[in-house]
This record gives sequence, structure tokens and C-alpha cells, in this order.
Amino acid sequence: DVKVTQSSRYLVKRTGEKVFLECVQDMDHENMFWYRQDPGLGLRLIYFSYDVKMKEKGDIPEGYSVSREKKERFSLILESASTNQTSMYLCASSFLSGDRAYEQYFGPGTRLTVT
Amino acid sequence: GEDVEQSLFLSVREGDSSVINCTYTDSSSTYLYWYKQEPGAGLQLLTYIFSNMDMKQDQRLTVLLNKKDKHLSLRIADTQTGDSAIYFCAEKVSSASKIIFGSGTRLSIRP
Repeated sequence: DVKVTQSSRYLVKRTGEKVFLECVQDMDHENMFWYRQDPGLGLRLIYFSYDVKMKEKGDIPEGYSVSREKKERFSLILESASTNQTSMYLCASSFLSGDRAYEQYFGPGTRLTVT
Repeated sequence: GEDVEQSLFLSVREGDSSVINCTYTDSSSTYLYWYKQEPGAGLQLLTYIFSNMDMKQDQRLTVLLNKKDKHLSLRIADTQTGDSAIYFCAEKVSSASKIIFGSGTRLSIRP
């Protein structure tokens, strides 16, 4: 059974703090993704990675960075948290090939509040 | 550009069929998906259809794809309270690794 875990379910941080969100998958997936989910806006892709040390910007990368030092782990970093980054953050992973229709497996999400 | 649109809310009576609709803009889509998100959880793939198909049935779920109109629908037969969730339509375009998600349709079931 595929498992994608995220380091925290709930997080409260202050404006200006550096925030790390961690994601780990156990299926040896090549692709990993970070999304934010906001009501009425659906899922918006922040960054994704298709290999160790590789990253690509998604649709809304501003204010975020990522790190992928190991295949199973993908970190999202908010260098200086701001209140408009209050959101639900979802991590996902998938195979690079199309064997399973590129199905993405999601973690449970981290609800981040920035005060 | 790539865009996936769906209505935000749908309310149905328990036992009726639910039909959730979605439109997309990219004609080079290869796969189209329906994901389900239950309260407090991440998304889970419910079903998908390859772009050269026009229908797929899986137990209570029926997916219809109209490529000409770029319209995708999900029908849930005999809707139950456990079907209450947000349903996301998504597409994968052939030129990209990423999947584009719609805004999600919140399905609520009334007795």
C-alpha cells in the first residue's frame, strides 16, 4: 500500500519565520509534487521534482523553494512566511512512466496558519 | 492555456444519481481523472479515462468523455452518505509531467 506522509497535520507560524514542510513516500516514485489548496481555487502546483536534486517551478512558485536530496523525501520551504501563505499544503508522488496512468498519491495535508 | 473548470457545489438526495460535470481546454489531454477528497484527508484517485475512450464504467461509477466538447462527467449511481466529499476533475496533457486540477465540486447528500 502506497504511503505518502507529511511531517505535520497542523502548523502555526509567525510572519517572517522560516517554515519547513516535509514529505516522504515509500513507493520509490520518481515524481514528487507540492500543491496548495484554497477554497474555490482547487489545487495549485507550487513545485515538482522528477528526480533527486531536480526541481521545476509550478504555477505559483513565488515565496517558496524546495529541496530533494533523497528520492523518497521532498521538502517545501517558506523562506519568510507571510499571512497569504496560510493554506492547506498537499504533497503527492507518482511514477515517471505511464504504467498506472501517472496516478498521483497524496499525503493527508498540512494545514498551515501564518499569524 | 490549460484550464479545468467545474461547478463548486452539488446537492443530491440519498439514493439518487449524482452527476458531476467538468470542462477542460487542452485538446492534447492524454488522461482525464476523477479524484475524491474526504474531509481531513488528501486526494485519492477514484477513476480515470484514457483520451481515446468515451465511456468507462466501474461499479457505481460511470465516466463519460466528449472530446469534441472537451467535457467530462462522473455519474455516481445510488448515491450514499459515504459519497459526501469533494470531487476533483483533472487532466494530464501529453507535453507535461504535471496534472492540472479543477477547483473541486463539493457533493452533499440530503436524506
